[in-house]
Amino acid sequence: EVQLVQSGAEVKKAGESLKISCKVSGYTFTTYWIAWVRQAPGKGLECMGIIHPGDSNIRYSPSFQGQVTMSADKSTTTAYLHWSSLKASDTAMYYCARRDDFWSGYAFDHWGQGTLITVSS
Amino acid sequence: QSALTQPASVSGSPGQSITISCTGTSSDVGSYNLVSWYQQHPGQAPKLIIYEVNKRPSGVSNRFSGSKSGDAAALTISGLLADDEADYYCCSYAGSNVFGGGTKLTVL
Repeated sequence: EVQLVQSGAEVKKAGESLKISCKVSGYTFTTYWIAWVRQAPGKGLECMGIIHPGDSNIRYSPSFQGQVTMSADKSTTTAYLHWSSLKASDTAMYYCARRDDFWSGYAFDHWGQGTLITVSS
Repeated sequence: QSALTQPASVSGSPGQSITISCTGTSSDVGSYNLVSWYQQHPGQAPKLIIYEVNKRPSGVSNRFSGSKSGDAAALTISGLLADDEADYYCCSYAGSNVFGGGTKLTVL
């Protein structure tokens, strides 16, 4: 069974750093792209970018370039999303999702449960 | 890529059918049959319900169907059930994935 299990909720102050995780199981980690998707309170879904754990190829969406850093650890089959200096506007739910380029037309077929990040100013 | 355009809300009564539109451009929706739809209930992660315009993942009800014409895609839900009340998002792939703004479906 494919599973993406994310780290728990975080409450941070503006200016602090943070790394959240997405532990993957049930398939070959290095075969599929993993996306990070932001959902601000009461708002829609935004694709922040995508990483291929096989070769660490990363494509950031223009709005998020330079704002976050994506990484992946093949040994632990875990993807990460890192902020070096959080802002209050980073307050949101963050999802990781597997993108299936082979059988589902580049759709996000499995999702993590989400990690809620709250940043106070 | 700009976000795809969806109506903010739609509503329907149980048993009825509703359609949610998703408008893109000739560079995304119009160029590729790579439109997907997601259902998100409050407090839950999104769930894939349609991919490649009109294909359903295993386990998704055949009451959900997708279509595309030109630069616009659509999701139709037939035989509305109370449990269909949720937010729905379209997404198009054209070198990168871009979502629509989301549509809140209310079952009256």
